[in-house]
Amino acid sequence: GAVVSQHPSRVICKSGTSVKIECRSLDFQATTMFWYRQFPKKSLMLMATSNEGSKATYEQGVEKDKFLINHASLTLSTLTVTSAHPEDSSFYICSARETPVNEQYFGPGTRLTVT
Amino acid sequence: QKEVEQDPGPLSVPEGAIVSLNCTYSNSAFQYFMWYRQYSRKGPELLMYTYSSGNKEDGRFTAQVDKSSKYISLFIRDSQPSDSATYLCAMEAGGYNKLIFGAGTRLAVHP
Repeated sequence: GAVVSQHPSRVICKSGTSVKIECRSLDFQATTMFWYRQFPKKSLMLMATSNEGSKATYEQGVEKDKFLINHASLTLSTLTVTSAHPEDSSFYICSARETPVNEQYFGPGTRLTVT
Repeated sequence: QKEVEQDPGPLSVPEGAIVSLNCTYSNSAFQYFMWYRQYSRKGPELLMYTYSSGNKEDGRFTAQVDKSSKYISLFIRDSQPSDSATYLCAMEAGGYNKLIFGAGTRLAVHP
């Protein structure tokens, strides 16, 4: 099956700093990537949809200036958490849609801890 | 009412049992139906992907979709301890819309 990687797998940062998370589709091209957030024992919460070469579409309640998304190529999307605070600590997961089919494949996730 | 309803469990079964996991939904526009398995602290893994109504089998896993009842199921035969995970149903209306997830059912298969 299609493989999606994320880097880093876990990161600890201090409050007020910015953190960048990378999401790559390793063996397919993905015109659309998605960023999710997941709290312990909860389902995934979609944050934004990222289309290659265009601005991301954010879900209601997600601050676009805080969670910067860039989808510069068909295999790479990045999520930057700016001025991170402890409440941003969470498990961030990306997924990529293999075009032209509809299947969506997930990365292994990035655990962010803000101290 | 949520668009997708899924019992969070937990569901505990003995090794070798047949497991039945279910989701109901309210949006009749959903056409694509998926089951994901998620181990603790890992990303979801796509298990089954079906379009419209019908059955699909893959090894020990069988997915069923009944659009008339707005009900989907995942059956796991001969369950193993390694099947212990959270199972998420997801569905999509098509046209490259976003996935709508169920809450996830935690399954524990004990030896």
